[in-house]
Amino acid sequence: GESVGLHLPTLSVQEGDNSIINCAYSNSASDYFIWYKQESGKGPQFIIDIRSNMDKRQGQRVTVLLNKTVKHLSLQIAATQPGDSAVYFCAENNSGGSNYKLTFGKGTLLTVNP
Amino acid sequence: DTEVTQTPKHLVMGMTNKKSLKCEQHMGHRAMYWYKQKAKKPPELMFVYSYEKLSINESVPSRFSPECPNSSLLNLHLHALQPEDSALYLCASSQDRDSRQYFGPGTRLTVL
Repeated sequence: GESVGLHLPTLSVQEGDNSIINCAYSNSASDYFIWYKQESGKGPQFIIDIRSNMDKRQGQRVTVLLNKTVKHLSLQIAATQPGDSAVYFCAENNSGGSNYKLTFGKGTLLTVNP
Repeated sequence: DTEVTQTPKHLVMGMTNKKSLKCEQHMGHRAMYWYKQKAKKPPELMFVYSYEKLSINESVPSRFSPECPNSSLLNLHLHALQPEDSALYLCASSQDRDSRQYFGPGTRLTVL
């Protein structure tokens, strides 16, 4: 999962397994969180978002969990497919602040083995 | 239409050149963004335009000059860049400040 450091965290899973990607966010005032998927040579693609008044949100094959107590966010991908291979970024936003700034995590490289 | 488009896809320029990157969206979004992304790193915010006015400049060098001609267009004018400015430049837009940002495919810039 995500961590502060020089290297891109990696996660390798077998096709069909479930994947869990973790993210520790920094700002306790952040109240809006987004997961993005970025494939090689492409721009980040929105996957799912969650606001701080929720602790779980589900999409198609994806679930985001938010634990505000420990400032932790996770992305669960069910039945992971080779097309899910990409770098995944979490991003946080303080919508009560005076700016539009999204702060991105370091990213996690997910590799799905067939 | 939920697409942000960017041109060109690739750009190679010398340190004395002047070039521009272009971004367009037709989702009626009132906030538009420029990000810079180096390899294996997250996007770094450069500029934010809100209602066609510059809202945030993240201490970006003056050799990068943003422009927002109207609510659908965002340009980034480049002049006297350095090789370390080589990166993927991403444009994004959002409905307002606390909603999802939609990203374009980026312009891969190489400065020789």
